[in-house]
Amino acid sequence: GENVEQHPSTLSVQEGDSAVIKCTYSDSASNYFPWYKQELGKRPQLIIDIRSNVGEKKDQRIAVTLNKTAKHFSLHITETQPEDSAVYFCARNQGGKLIFGQGTELSVKP
Amino acid sequence: EAQVTQNPRYLITVTGKKLTVTCSQNMNHEYMSWYRQDPGLGLRQIYYSMNVEVTDKGDVPEGYKVSRKEKRNFPLILESPSPNQTSLYFCASSPGQGVGGYNSPLHFGNGTRLTVT
Repeated sequence: GENVEQHPSTLSVQEGDSAVIKCTYSDSASNYFPWYKQELGKRPQLIIDIRSNVGEKKDQRIAVTLNKTAKHFSLHITETQPEDSAVYFCARNQGGKLIFGQGTELSVKP
Repeated sequence: EAQVTQNPRYLITVTGKKLTVTCSQNMNHEYMSWYRQDPGLGLRQIYYSMNVEVTDKGDVPEGYKVSRKEKRNFPLILESPSPNQTSLYFCASSPGQGVGGYNSPLHFGNGTRLTVT
């Protein structure tokens, strides 16, 4: 269908711990899966994306994994820092559209 | 500086009074889109445009109109605003889509917070 289910809706971790956010979808035609970070009062900004021809992509402390068979993809943030506190959105493509998940509010406590 | 510019940033209006939110990008992007953001619902796509004179409905197009007469501009029009259109609106652009559908990063504007009373 249309939706992307994103979990959890809120996540609180201690500084230095890891954070994992998961998204599931049902449209097997999707082949592009970006993640956006939105700090309080600001615009969403792309942090990492993955295409369906790879299973994992890493950029410093951020990684995304994709399981196309199970139709889910996850964002992993290691060694979290207070500046990682934000709302994170996953998304998937559907034809010319980009469909977003409901968002995860991540709080990193010092 | 490469950017997507929306105006106004804040707008308070009354039910039924037509309004337009402007959006302009200076990156020569083919793809432009409007989203609304509401608590607990994420970002929902209103309309998108893959090129000049080409527009398509997103997931929540009711009550909105758009036009794409020039590549750089993509205004959002509310002909008769209602209180349920109170929301935070984002315009975004990207180079476009490739083989297999949409697959390039979106650049967002700063948002327009609209209140309809």
